[in-house]
Amino acid sequence: ETGVTQTPRHLVMGMTNKKSLKCEQHLGHNAMYWYKQSAKKPLELMFVYNFKEQTENNSVPSRFSPECPNSSHLFLHLHTLQPEDSALYLCASSLSSNSYNEQFFGPGTRLTVL
Amino acid sequence: AQSVTQLDSQVPVFEEAPVELRCNYSSSVSVYLFWYVQYPNQGLQLLLKYLSGSTLVKGINGFEAEFNKSQTSFHLRKPSVHISDTAEYFCAVSDNSGYSTLTFGKGTMLLVSP
Repeated sequence: ETGVTQTPRHLVMGMTNKKSLKCEQHLGHNAMYWYKQSAKKPLELMFVYNFKEQTENNSVPSRFSPECPNSSHLFLHLHTLQPEDSALYLCASSLSSNSYNEQFFGPGTRLTVL
Repeated sequence: AQSVTQLDSQVPVFEEAPVELRCNYSSSVSVYLFWYVQYPNQGLQLLLKYLSGSTLVKGINGFEAEFNKSQTSFHLRKPSVHISDTAEYFCAVSDNSGYSTLTFGKGTMLLVSP
């Protein structure tokens, strides 16, 4: 049973839509992450938040906008996406953003952009 | 910067046979190394990690890995696989400052058949 939940599990949107992905962790962690997982490519880190402060933005296009209102919740706001943005978006959390800490992953949101 | 190479995109094996999944990394500094597993329709789960100390690391589900600094490798092994081990396996590396992010390999799909 994962301590990290993501909603929705599946999302289909047009290029002009605005939608949001939600992640919640029940583990008492202080760091949260967004990753993009595309077929046949390594997991791509998008954003890192540590104690609600963004500490990493991995050159992500501005059509992806993260929000971290508290240490338990993380959102990814989406607008004017492109078909190549279709992928599995994974949220993770860890005790802190130090890399030796285990990251706990949610099940992901499967996003399809038409 | 670090990089990870998982040469095998897919490894087919029969049940109860041994298996080795290969991982090589590149880094100019000392590293932390990780293996994560992703079962179908789930997020990633930590199998094992090497931070320091003994180069032979034991993880969950009977898996183990050996850190070989001279060969810059961290291969994952299991002496006898089960059908339930069918999943995708990801090797990841970070530098040992604790402040860098994880770099993941492309993954190896382990296919266990009866």
